[in-house]
Amino acid sequence: GAVVSQHPSWVICKSGTSVKIECRSLDFQATTMFWYRQFPKQSLMLMATSNEGSKATYEQGVEKDKFLINHASLTLSTLTVTSAHPEDSSFYICSATSGSAYEQYFGPGTRLTVT
Amino acid sequence: EDQVTQSPEALRLQEGESSSLNCSYTVSGLRGLFWYRQDPGKGPEFLFTLYSAGEEKEKERLKATLTKKESFLHITAPKPEDSATYLCAVQAARDSNYQLIWGAGTKLIIKP
Repeated sequence: GAVVSQHPSWVICKSGTSVKIECRSLDFQATTMFWYRQFPKQSLMLMATSNEGSKATYEQGVEKDKFLINHASLTLSTLTVTSAHPEDSSFYICSATSGSAYEQYFGPGTRLTVT
Repeated sequence: EDQVTQSPEALRLQEGESSSLNCSYTVSGLRGLFWYRQDPGKGPEFLFTLYSAGEEKEKERLKATLTKKESFLHITAPKPEDSATYLCAVQAARDSNYQLIWGAGTKLIIKP
């Protein structure tokens, strides 16, 4: 149980284009979803928290107009990186909680490379 | 300020050599302490949640313990497949969004 999927697992895009990453909870309803960014050999950096049907809450320093988050249903959240630049290249990971437990369950991550 | 510190940064062991990883924390009201395992290029895999001092949980060769100031992840007779980065995180009771405060991780390498 508690499986989270992400799609795509990796993506390469050109500078200036937008990329959408999907995060799905496969066997539970995710009341809260989280988006993280991870740089090589570093720990997880929380970007934003989203509750189903509400606007996402962004961490300080994260541009909400650049990283658009939508949590339209209890099983799906999307992260869109708009007008991507090479400095946006990173490993993006989502996680989800069910509301009945405190643990976060993580997706496998998406490797984004902007050329 | 809520904070999590993990030590050591890296640990190299021979197969079968038992050891412990440390997670020290300061948080205003602990809701839970979490251990995760992360393999390179993958998302973290949930291992344990500990809620109160004195609590212990086990899974295969891993055992997690909790005091009021720190948690230990004991690994008994490790195998090469236990090699990974182990992450510790805490959740404050006051946080209605269930956010996690992360340590930097301990990279564990088990040599055959």
